[in-house]
Order: sequence, then C-alpha cells, then structure tokens
Amino acid sequence: ETGVTQTPRHLVMGMTNKKSLKCEQHLGHNAMYWYKQSAKKPLELMFVYSLEERVENNSVPSRFSPECPNSSHLFLHLHTLQPEDSALYLCASSQDRNSGISTDTQYFGPGTRLTVL
Amino acid sequence: AQKITQTQPGMFVQEKEAVTLDCTYDTSDPSYGLFWYKQPSSGEMIFLIYQGSYDQQNATEGRYSLNFQKARKSANLVISASQLGDSAMYFCAMREGTIIQGAQKLVFGQGTRLTINP
Repeated sequence: ETGVTQTPRHLVMGMTNKKSLKCEQHLGHNAMYWYKQSAKKPLELMFVYSLEERVENNSVPSRFSPECPNSSHLFLHLHTLQPEDSALYLCASSQDRNSGISTDTQYFGPGTRLTVL
Repeated sequence: AQKITQTQPGMFVQEKEAVTLDCTYDTSDPSYGLFWYKQPSSGEMIFLIYQGSYDQQNATEGRYSLNFQKARKSANLVISASQLGDSAMYFCAMREGTIIQGAQKLVFGQGTRLTINP
C-alpha cells in the first residue's frame, strides 16, 4: 500500500450504531488529520494529531471520538450520530516539525462516505 | 470573514484550452502557504501545487502553475492545455504561520467545479 488509505470507503449506519473509520499512512509522516466534507460547505478540520498527541479539536461533538495509537494509524470512532453527520470524511497526513514553520504538504486519503439513516 | 474565496462555483472549458481558477485569500500573517488540490468524483484530494508567501517566483508543476500576486492576495491556478481528465473540483487552501505543536492548519475555499468539454 502506498500513500494514505482509508477504510471503509462507504458506510451506512443507523443513529444508534457504533462504528469506526480507519486511516493508515505509509509516508512516514508524524502528523495526521481528520476532515469533514459536507455538501456545499468547505472542508472542515475536525482533529489534528502530532506525534500521536491530539493538538486540535475544532469544537467537534463528542459523538466523534478520535484515536491515534501510533504515527501511522488514525481512527474516528462514531456513536449515536445524527443524519446531518452524513458526509465525506477525509484523513490526511503530513511531515511536520516542531521547530518553526513547515511548508510540508498534507496528503489525503480517498475518504469514507458516511450515510447516517 | 472567509479566509479563502473562490468566486467561480463552476467553469466549462474546451479541451486543450488553458483555464484559470481564481483564489483570493485573507491573512495578516506574513508567513503563509497556499495550496491547490484537485478532487475527482472518487473523493480523494490530490495535491497539485504549493506557493510559499516568501517565494519570489510563481510555482509551477507540469501543466499547473500558480499566478501569485501577493499585493492583491490572489493565488490563481492556471492549467495549460486542459484535458478531459482535468474535470474535477478544485480547492484552494491556505496554511497560516501558526503551527500547532508541529502540525499545520489548512483553511479551504468552497471549491470550483471544472468541466472540460471535448
């Protein structure tokens, strides 16, 4: 596998279900990101992990719970979602450094298209 | 206020023509980066080109070039000799100088849907 992979690619779930989205990066990066892309809205940053530590949580409801067990893997645990949570969820990674400004690019996975019934 | 503005919701271009996709940005940070991504219908965001705020020359990557006009705060993407495979959504994004413990924050525009006609 190369680049950033995401599974599953499509997910349909009921509001009472619990599911998890998985992201894996094969680029040797040390920062990972979750984004939400809804119809007719710009891409929204949800969570940022750097060196496996969560460094940003953009006012995301608690029904979304991220987990980063190591620098290559990122999960998004979902529970009691709402229909408005239906969207494309994109994972990205980048090679960033703690010292100063980084110009490194974020590379994205193919996304998980989530439908909440 | 929107930090990234893409004023063209959709564009239609004939194959082999050049196309310019507009992007204006708003920041008071002297250090920032500008990115363009392509998103085909499959959903993946594909990195195209990057321009740093201190870069003296416009960035180029194959058929893609970035027309960077710093004083106007614009970073338009130019695609030369368009191909049918260029049909996709195109997003402009900005990284401001703020680094969150080594990770970066990107702000995206609304996107432009480009359709290349044969």
